[in-house]
Amino acid sequence: GAGVSQSPRYKVTKRGQDVALRCDPISGHVSLYWYRQALGQGPEFLTYFNYEAQQDKSGLPNDRFSAERPEGSISTLTIQRTEQRDSAMYRCASSYTGTGVKNEQFFGPGTRLTVL
Amino acid sequence: AQKVTQAQTEISVVEKEDVTLDCVYETRDTTYYLFWYKQPPSGELVFLIRRNSFDEQNEISGRYSWNFQKSTSSFNFTITASQVVDSAVYFCALSEAEYGNKLVFGAGTILRVKS
Repeated sequence: GAGVSQSPRYKVTKRGQDVALRCDPISGHVSLYWYRQALGQGPEFLTYFNYEAQQDKSGLPNDRFSAERPEGSISTLTIQRTEQRDSAMYRCASSYTGTGVKNEQFFGPGTRLTVL
Repeated sequence: AQKVTQAQTEISVVEKEDVTLDCVYETRDTTYYLFWYKQPPSGELVFLIRRNSFDEQNEISGRYSWNFQKSTSSFNFTITASQVVDSAVYFCALSEAEYGNKLVFGAGTILRVKS
């Protein structure tokens, strides 16, 4: 497709379960980012990749959160032992480059995670 | 430290009025980028514009215009002759070259345009 896609669009899970959120960036985009957006707030950075290398994971809240992009394209954000406070919209974005020209990020539709 | 402040929580205007959304940023980097995104009621985040720190030229795109002033660390967004379809949450964001392009967002401004 032409844009960033994410799946699932909605995920409801029980506390303590693991979830995996998938992001398929725009074809040819080098950089991929994960953000989390609580209701009524702006997105907050979680982590990002250039190709398959995770460049910065300083925004991951704790060690229950991890992300990978093994082949430099699709990425998975995994949350282990989910807690109710993990409920939020998880957004993925991609950009042609990491810095400099063409570094604008295009966002996917997001995955709405609800932890019961 | 990076910081973006959008002091206006919510603005209501009547159709055809002009409206300006304010954005003030803080950075210690000399190379940085500023962005505006639109989040309509449907929820997606739509990229509107990018400006780099070396380019202070104002930009106009149709009814949209942006005023970047380094002297006041501001990057304001004006919509001329607003329309109901402009109703959305607008986010200003900053990235610094030193931190690899991760975006720091402001809290957003809710714009309501009434017919």
